Amino acid sequence: GEDVEQSLFLSVREGDSSVINCTYTDSSSTYLYWYKQEPGAGLQLLTYIFSNMDMKQDQRLTVLLNKKDKHLSLRIADTQTGDSAIYFCADYNNAGNMLTFGGGTRLMVKP
Amino acid sequence: DAGVTQSPTHLIKTRGQQVTLRCSPKSGHDTVSWYQQALGQGPQFIFQYYEEEERQRGNFPDRFSGHQFPNYSSELNVNALLLGDSALYLCASSPTPNRGQGGYTFGSGTRLTVV
Repeated sequence: GEDVEQSLFLSVREGDSSVINCTYTDSSSTYLYWYKQEPGAGLQLLTYIFSNMDMKQDQRLTVLLNKKDKHLSLRIADTQTGDSAIYFCADYNNAGNMLTFGGGTRLMVKP
Repeated sequence: DAGVTQSPTHLIKTRGQQVTLRCSPKSGHDTVSWYQQALGQGPQFIFQYYEEEERQRGNFPDRFSGHQFPNYSSELNVNALLLGDSALYLCASSPTPNRGQGGYTFGSGTRLTVV
């Protein structure tokens, strides 16, 4: 079946850039997403990228997609303590009309 | 504009009991999907409802069932609860057709604890 993998943990200093990586196996993914989850909360959509794009920028967020290697990354510029959360990547399969999530990357931002 | 609302926010049940979770979709959305998020893991797709029918189902046993009402709201029912059913249950709504263009809106979830 489809699989989405992420590293478990990332620690950065406030003001640095954070890069969270994700790999996926579904070659028919049409969209790929990044969600943020704060403690005790649901999922907040941060950004998404269509599979025929290789980059998307949205304010402090930059998404890079390497479709050949099935690798997705999320770069957060000027990381703040409020960015501390768990970040999930997910792929959307048009045939299934459902999201497949990775296990999440916990981002810790140190002052 | 209210987003996705779920109730209750928390509940505690005993093994073997049955539970019903509720979800009201975002205004303008007619498809509801349910996800289970165990502690420390990513959400797993349970099933999806559209036009009051189950359209897609993930790898969950028949103890998990659902319903969608004419106003697009939905219920998730779990029978014969197991300790392993303890999780955050997330509801997501989307418009149809979705085509994946960022159309999923998630609720804050229901935290179910089975003791």
